[in-house]
Amino acid sequence: EAGVVQSPRYKIIEKKQPVAFWCNPISGHNTLYWYRQNLGQGPELLIRYENEEAVDDSQLPKDRFSAERLKGVDSTLKIQPAELGDSAVYLCASSLVTGSGAFFGQGTRLTVV
Amino acid sequence: RKEVEQDPGPFNVPEGATVAFNCTYSNSASQSFFWYRQDCRKEPKLLMSVYSSGNEDGRFTAQLNRASQYISLLIRDSKLSDSATYLCVVTGNTGGFKTIFGAGTRLFVKA
Repeated sequence: EAGVVQSPRYKIIEKKQPVAFWCNPISGHNTLYWYRQNLGQGPELLIRYENEEAVDDSQLPKDRFSAERLKGVDSTLKIQPAELGDSAVYLCASSLVTGSGAFFGQGTRLTVV
Repeated sequence: RKEVEQDPGPFNVPEGATVAFNCTYSNSASQSFFWYRQDCRKEPKLLMSVYSSGNEDGRFTAQLNRASQYISLLIRDSKLSDSATYLCVVTGNTGGFKTIFGAGTRLFVKA
């Protein structure tokens, strides 16, 4: 069975440029999460979807970050414009239902220069 | 105080040793608990859930102490391949569902 798939794996952009990440969750998983992880820290939740509804986006910096999950399957996370402090690993995860163990994709390592 | 706290380590142990990590949480209404393993430059991988009655999977044992608000992970007969960062996760539904990761405990198992 395929796991969570993310692309791209790596991205280097100049500050003020836009960037987008894509995630395909495990089939049948209703809950999808976007996390950001900085070096030496645990993942921090940016947004959580239940099907196509964003049920928790309280930690998403809405002035520059946006996300969507059309049809309750794939999801995209966008940053526009990117700032130097956005450099991190962006992880997508999915779970069967909210509260059950989540499975992570390999992440996108973003470097803003 | 952080909502979920872990000793960052590193824990350096020889092969075959038994090692234990604790993770404390601040919200007494927390509902679900998990341990994840994360290798260097890799994604976190679900290791095991932590049940109120405890949970054992081979050399790994996880326990929950609600009275003292901590979970633990015990690794017996450590292998070189156990070297990784171990993240605890606490979830709850107070004021909205929240999932909080600890910063992780680094383990190095030496030959």
